[in-house]
Amino acid sequence: EDQVTQSPEALRLQEGESSSLNCSYTVSGLRGLFWYRQDPGKGPEFLFTLYSAGEEKEKERLKATLTKKESFLHITAPKPEDSATYLCAVQAVGGSQGNLIFGKGTKLSVKP
Amino acid sequence: DSGVTQTPKHLITATGQRVTLRCSPRSGDLSVYWYQQSLDQGLQFLIQYYNGEERAKGNILERFSAQQFPDLHSELNLSSLELGDSALYFCASSVGGGGGDQFFGPGTRLTVL
Repeated sequence: EDQVTQSPEALRLQEGESSSLNCSYTVSGLRGLFWYRQDPGKGPEFLFTLYSAGEEKEKERLKATLTKKESFLHITAPKPEDSATYLCAVQAVGGSQGNLIFGKGTKLSVKP
Repeated sequence: DSGVTQTPKHLITATGQRVTLRCSPRSGDLSVYWYQQSLDQGLQFLIQYYNGEERAKGNILERFSAQQFPDLHSELNLSSLELGDSALYFCASSVGGGGGDQFFGPGTRLTVL
């Protein structure tokens, strides 16, 4: 069964304290891995798509990387406005087209 | 702002009732997806429509149905509502029918009393 597991469930950082969020996945074949940011009560905001092992993408203080079994979202020198829940999702080859399988997210809190 | 709109923002109703949620995709997007988000289950895929046709189905209950109209907006109909249907319902859209980058709307919060 296709599955996505994110860790940790929650992460508290001080402003400027860099860290990484983990997303491990089990799929028969990976079509794409997606990172989203979600603020409370709002819709997920698209961040990155990664398609193959070794691929990296960056946006401001965020950098996403992909291996054959997991993805990392590195946050460099975070600011309080980076506080949110970060969701990872995969799209599997051969599965229902368009079906994103989401992890339960990592809730990030950045204190000033 | 993703460009995806959803109405209403909030909906409060009683058990046994029927409601309709509406979604307009981003300009140029042909696919619409519906997801349910509850505290214990996370985001769960319900159904996808591409250019008016059903493309994929997830864990959608038989009491739920959806359609996509010629102008590409979509409606999700929830009937015989139960307390457990209370959740956030999100619509997302993408250009193609094979998934890819999906952009989410602000959601509709459904409360069933």
